[in-house]
Amino acid sequence: QSALTQPPSASGSPGQSVTISCTGTSSDVGGYNYVSWYQQHPGKAPKLMIYEVSKRPSGVPDRFSGSKSGNTASLTVAGLQAEDEADYYCSSYVGSSGVFGGGTKLTVL
Amino acid sequence: QVQLVESGGGVVQPGTSLRLSCVASGFTFSRHGFYWVRQAPGKGLEWVAVIWYDGSKKYYVDSVKGRFTISRDNSKNTLYLEMNSLSAEDTAMYYCARDVSYCSLDVWGQGTTVTVYS
Repeated sequence: QSALTQPPSASGSPGQSVTISCTGTSSDVGGYNYVSWYQQHPGKAPKLMIYEVSKRPSGVPDRFSGSKSGNTASLTVAGLQAEDEADYYCSSYVGSSGVFGGGTKLTVL
Repeated sequence: QVQLVESGGGVVQPGTSLRLSCVASGFTFSRHGFYWVRQAPGKGLEWVAVIWYDGSKKYYVDSVKGRFTISRDNSKNTLYLEMNSLSAEDTAMYYCARDVSYCSLDVWGQGTTVTVYS
């Protein structure tokens, strides 16, 4: 499976909102409502932030939200905070397993 | 508490084998599918293998098919990854992770490092 396409970097100032895109095809992102987003700080394991396109696991701040339109999913982080600086990965179900995006490094200026 | 603990990583030569283990605690292991996900140094995440809750189905990324085998022992709350014919391209941190909904992974281990070099 080909990796989903994410911008390599994104940035915003504290308090601002930033949106990260994740583009796939009709065989993955567009074909299923099973897109997830993960946050990974350096040296740490990934953390699930969004699943099934827009659902937040318990404990994830509501500043994090997800959406999807066609073959592109998006993660929006509102009210940016310093601790949001991390790598973010999208993933999609593809029928038997999954595929990740290449990752986006979010910098809080 | 809910946790996954991996072990079995190490430094090995090309062509050799390793078996990774992932012990689960704090939840009903047999109710969940599990994934192995790897991350090469400085690179992104990559799905390696998945096994259904009852072990009835297993899927692999093309690059490891025929070399890696995922398995589980529900009586021991343990997930395994048998890795054969290792090459430098397999060098990575290997994570086990619990599936909560169609490839949404809500619990991750701390990872175990596999280094293949000659």
